[in-house]
Amino acid sequence: AQSVTQLGSHVSVSEGALVLLRCNYSSSVPPYLFWYVQYPNQGLQLLLKYTTGATLVKGINGFEAEFKKSETSFHLTKPSAHMSDAAEYFCAVTLLAGKSTFGDGTTLTVKP
Amino acid sequence: DAGVIQSPRHEVTEMGQEVTLRCKPISGHNSLFWYRQTMMRGLELLIYFNNNVPIDDSGMPEDRFSAKMPNASFSTLKIQPSEPRDSAVYFCASSPGTSNTGELFFGEGSRLTVL
Repeated sequence: AQSVTQLGSHVSVSEGALVLLRCNYSSSVPPYLFWYVQYPNQGLQLLLKYTTGATLVKGINGFEAEFKKSETSFHLTKPSAHMSDAAEYFCAVTLLAGKSTFGDGTTLTVKP
Repeated sequence: DAGVIQSPRHEVTEMGQEVTLRCKPISGHNSLFWYRQTMMRGLELLIYFNNNVPIDDSGMPEDRFSAKMPNASFSTLKIQPSEPRDSAVYFCASSPGTSNTGELFFGEGSRLTVL
């Protein structure tokens, strides 16, 4: 079985501040991990993914995430928030290439 | 390249009516997924297909829901009869196949309102 927990359903930061969105997972086997972003009235789109290899992965729009096996975490960060980053972010875990399990999502608000 | 295409984008119907949602996956993708998104329950996987064959339909809420994939380029999700609690955004997603890493490509969703 696999599960995903996103800590904090709402995160608010000032423009230019660090963005940190937390994700912890549980999985019986090494998982594939993903972050997706959803803008209003749109579908989800992939930000970044971890499959194997380097544990620090870089994605689009300046986001990155680090896979920490010992902590079963895959937190998403961005050094400097931009107004356009305001959206909902979902962490997901997939075993092999089967179905993905999504977290409940974190809404990011960026204040001017 | 065209992404995943869903229709209709918006549907308003009355309780008891039949609803059919449509999806065209990305060409060459072997896996197709139907998700439902609500405020209360978040993103729920309803069913997924691999090479047009349903693999896991354990998320389908009840017999009122059915899904088909008659060929590699088309899938439908049908609700009959519809109920107000079916109101949600329904997403279709496709994925390159069993040898890939599980990345999903989502359509823009079909927003269903059942009155």
